[in-house]
Amino acid sequence: GQQVMQIPQYQHVQEGEDFTTYCNSSTTLSNIQWYKQRPGGHPVFLIQLVKSGEVKKQKRLTFQFGEAKKNSSLHITATQTTDVGTYFCAGRGNYQLIWGAGTKLIIKP
Amino acid sequence: NAGVTQTPKFRVLKTGQSMTLLCAQDMNHEYMYWYRQDPGMGLRLIHYSVGEGTTAKGEVPDGYNVSRLKKQNFLLGLESAAPSQTSVYFCASSSTLGYGYTFGSGTRLTVV
Repeated sequence: GQQVMQIPQYQHVQEGEDFTTYCNSSTTLSNIQWYKQRPGGHPVFLIQLVKSGEVKKQKRLTFQFGEAKKNSSLHITATQTTDVGTYFCAGRGNYQLIWGAGTKLIIKP
Repeated sequence: NAGVTQTPKFRVLKTGQSMTLLCAQDMNHEYMYWYRQDPGMGLRLIHYSVGEGTTAKGEVPDGYNVSRLKKQNFLLGLESAAPSQTSVYFCASSSTLGYGYTFGSGTRLTVV
């Protein structure tokens, strides 16, 4: 079946360092979405990418969708404590979202 | 505008007991979903609904039943709870299938 692999599972960074998470699908996706889940909270929709090669920015967050529409990345520049949480990608397959397992962003004390 | 509301927020059940989780949305969304989230396993789809009166199985439907008698409500039932059903349950809704989900705050269920 369709799968979306997300790496890494965890990333520890110093505040101010950059963070990147990657998603790869076994099949072509019609779109890819990104969600953020704060500790103890629920997933919150961040953005959707639809076009091949699309790049979107939200302040310090940059989202990319690959040319083949099978991979995507989220890059956070100069992380802040408010960025802590788990970031999920979710690709739209035939009719449902296929979720990555998430990347947990941890800020080192 | 409350969005998606889940009740209860916490529950402890004994093995074999039954319960119903309620999800209500006030956004007039057509599509609703039930997920479970376990540590390190992301979100797994239990059941979903594409409209009032319709339901379908997701990835992990065994041991659960659902009903959508009204457009705004989506109920998840556990007929005979098992410890393997200890999890955090999230309800979500969307106006378009597979796009821009709005999640509820979750129900933390422990089965002992």
